Amino acid sequence: GENVGLHLPTLSVQEGDNSIINCAYSNSASDYFIWYKQESGKGPQFIIDIRSNMDKRQGQRVTVLLNKTVKHLSLQIAATQPGDSAVYFCAENIWGSSASKIIFGSGTRLSIRP
Amino acid sequence: GAVVSQHPSRVICKSGTSVKIECRSLDFQATTMFWYRQFPKQSLMLMATSNEGSKATYEQGVEKDKFLINHASLTLSTLTVTSAHPEDSSFYICSARFGGSGELFFGEGSRLTVL
Repeated sequence: GENVGLHLPTLSVQEGDNSIINCAYSNSASDYFIWYKQESGKGPQFIIDIRSNMDKRQGQRVTVLLNKTVKHLSLQIAATQPGDSAVYFCAENIWGSSASKIIFGSGTRLSIRP
Repeated sequence: GAVVSQHPSRVICKSGTSVKIECRSLDFQATTMFWYRQFPKQSLMLMATSNEGSKATYEQGVEKDKFLINHASLTLSTLTVTSAHPEDSSFYICSARFGGSGELFFGEGSRLTVL
């Protein structure tokens, strides 16, 4: 079946540094990708998304890069803050016969060193 | 942004009983709702896709007779875990969107503990 996976399960970053979280996806037909942040005991929170016709999209302190050639997605967080500590998931939109569904990757835990 | 509400946020039940979890879209009409399950330190696994007025589409390996999903209106979907067992203990999360694609809005999750 479809699978969206991550290279690193945990990432420790010095406060103030930039964080880069990577994700590999397997479905070349996916047309939409999303990054979510999940804090303990809560539902996923939308961070940023990107459609397959784009290579890069920037938000506030976050940038998503999409490389369709190697089916790779990354999330860059600038000037990482303690509040960025969470688990980050990439997800992809996969189309079925008449509708689409969002499938999640395995997640990366981001921890911030003071 | 859009708000999706889940209730209850926590529930404890005895083995063999059934538990119902509600998912409501508060400020938009959710033509499609999704139910996910998340075990500790794992990712969200899609259980089923629910379209208003039609039967839910279950993912492979998810028992439709055990996890009953009803999407009776454009603002409400329910997940009923029937004859719950300890292995059903998990974090259940719903999400909703308007239309066939686009951004999902997630609820805060419901933690089920089966004793």
